[in-house]
Amino acid sequence: RKEVEQDPGPFNVPEGATVAFNCTYSNSASQSFFWYRQDCRKEPKLLMSVYSSGNEDGRFTAQLNRASQYISLLIRDSKLSDSATYLCVVGRTGSGTYKYIFGTGTRLKVLA
Amino acid sequence: EPEVTQTPSHQVTQMGQEVILRCVPISNHLYFYWYRQILGQKVEFLVSFYNNEISEKSEIFDDQFSVERPDGSNFTLKIRSTKLEDSAMYFCASSRGNTGELFFGEGSRLTVL
Repeated sequence: RKEVEQDPGPFNVPEGATVAFNCTYSNSASQSFFWYRQDCRKEPKLLMSVYSSGNEDGRFTAQLNRASQYISLLIRDSKLSDSATYLCVVGRTGSGTYKYIFGTGTRLKVLA
Repeated sequence: EPEVTQTPSHQVTQMGQEVILRCVPISNHLYFYWYRQILGQKVEFLVSFYNNEISEKSEIFDDQFSVERPDGSNFTLKIRSTKLEDSAMYFCASSRGNTGELFFGEGSRLTVL
């Protein structure tokens, strides 16, 4: 079982739709949680950190459920420019330094 | 805004050749990482570096790979004898603290022929 799992998609949604992605993690010692956005052939860019209390940044809302070991990302009022791959990243202490585990990413395509 | 910079952006090399990929992390960051991403696949951890030594490495990071921080600013990844399967995008990343966000460079695309 992968340590961080995401539905690879693609999710094809019309402009203006609301879309939600989930990500599950298997290691209960995981300490920090992030959503990154990656455009085709570009570097991952931090979208938002995810906190236990949940957090919102404009049209984006992230939630963390430690009991069920999943995090979610909700995008409201989707824009064409939201088309990208969304990477779930989980951080925990590894055998050496802090370790960041990447999910495979969920591909979103917003259609006009 | 401070950023991680990587050179070269693209390198084409023959199988068996040595390659050095360079990174300049954000100046007040203390933790440095190399990741790779084969086209269409997930981002994979290679190695982490802290306090001038390797903190952790993955099973991908075998004897043909090495990292160093020769001058306090550059952070390099060397591949001694490249193989076809080393063709990928290599991302350098840095973080300020032990658990903070990772900031990525734009990547170096390596093509091995």
